[in-house]
Amino acid sequence: GNSVTQMEGPVTLSEEAFLTINCTYTATGYPSLFWYVQYPGEGLQLLLKATKADDKGSNKGFEATYRKETTSFHLEKGSVQVSDSAVYFCALYGGATNKLIFGTGTLLAVQP
Amino acid sequence: EAGVTQSPTHLIKTRGQQATLRCSPISGHTSVYWYQQALGLGLQFLLWYDEGEERNRGNFPPRFSGRQFPNYSSELNVNALELEDSALYLCASSLVGTQKNIQYFGAGTRLSVL
Repeated sequence: GNSVTQMEGPVTLSEEAFLTINCTYTATGYPSLFWYVQYPGEGLQLLLKATKADDKGSNKGFEATYRKETTSFHLEKGSVQVSDSAVYFCALYGGATNKLIFGTGTLLAVQP
Repeated sequence: EAGVTQSPTHLIKTRGQQATLRCSPISGHTSVYWYQQALGLGLQFLLWYDEGEERNRGNFPPRFSGRQFPNYSSELNVNALELEDSALYLCASSLVGTQKNIQYFGAGTRLSVL
């Protein structure tokens, strides 16, 4: 079945450091891929998405490229801020079942 | 434009009781989804409603049920509460058509079962 694997956290970085959070997936066909972010005490916010191979999603300085050949959708940001501290979830859209399948989430802590 | 709204924010119940959680989707969205975020278990799909009908169900026992009303709002009911039902319950909504697969989430209801 479809699944998503994310790198284990927590990830602790200093402000202005480069961020990579790895995400790989297993799926049949060409699922849409998403990154959601959950700030402390809040629900999920859509951060970015990609719907086909080689698409690059981007938002608020974050980027992720849909790589079909490596079944990956890694999240990157060139310079993180303290305000980026949150839990990041990689997800894929489960097609006909219309459900999102999430990775386990990666906690990012950015220190000043 | 208002986002997905959920109520109550927090809910405290005891074992064996019933809990009712409510969700109002973004205006114009006809699909509503429920997810459970339990500690250590991640985000798990519970239910999907569209046009008033249950369309898909996750791997949860029948005591988890719900409905969607004509105005597309939704209720999630959990009967015979167990301690392990303590979790954050997130509701999401989406449009039909080509944008159907973008789900927008509410802030959640935190259910504590004592």
